[in-house]
Amino acid sequence: GNSVTQMEGPVTLSEEAFLTINCTYTATGYPSLFWYVQYPGEGLQLLLKATKADDKGSNKGFEATYRKETTSFHLEKGSVQVSDSAVYFCALSDRGGSNYKLTFGKGTLLTVNP
Amino acid sequence: DSGVTQTPKHLITATGQRVTLRCSPRSGDLSVYWYQQSLDQGLQFLIQYYNGEERAKGNILERFSAQQFPDLHSELNLSSLELGDSALYFCASSTGALNTGELFFGEGSRLTVL
Repeated sequence: GNSVTQMEGPVTLSEEAFLTINCTYTATGYPSLFWYVQYPGEGLQLLLKATKADDKGSNKGFEATYRKETTSFHLEKGSVQVSDSAVYFCALSDRGGSNYKLTFGKGTLLTVNP
Repeated sequence: DSGVTQTPKHLITATGQRVTLRCSPRSGDLSVYWYQQSLDQGLQFLIQYYNGEERAKGNILERFSAQQFPDLHSELNLSSLELGDSALYFCASSTGALNTGELFFGEGSRLTVL
């Protein structure tokens, strides 16, 4: 079955540091890939997505590139802010039968200190 | 604000009891999804309804049930509660029947079973 593996946290950075959160996946088909973010006390929000190989998703300074050869979708940001402190979830959506199945990673807690 | 409303935000109850969680999807969305988030299991898909009909089933226990009403709001019923059912329960919604990965999440209902 499908699975998503992302780096375990927590990750603690200083403001303006470079961020990478690794995500690799296993899928039988050609999945779409997503990063969701969960700010404290809130629900998950879609941060960015990529639907095919070599696509780059970007939003709010975050980027991730769909790498089919390495089955990866690593999240990066060049300069993090305190307001980026949140839990980040990598996810994939793949067709299974008559519907798509959305599979989430376990999440990575990011704390950014001033 | 995602437009998805969940009530109650917090719920404390005892083992063996039954609770009902309620969700109103975003205006215009026909699909409602229920997810359970716990520290050990991560984010687990429970069930999806589309326009009043069950569309997909995930890791939902037999003690749990859900329905979607004609006004498209949904309720998740949890019965014979156990300590291990303590978790954050999220509702999400989307426009169509297929879960292509772009979901809008509510803020969740935190259930504590004592």
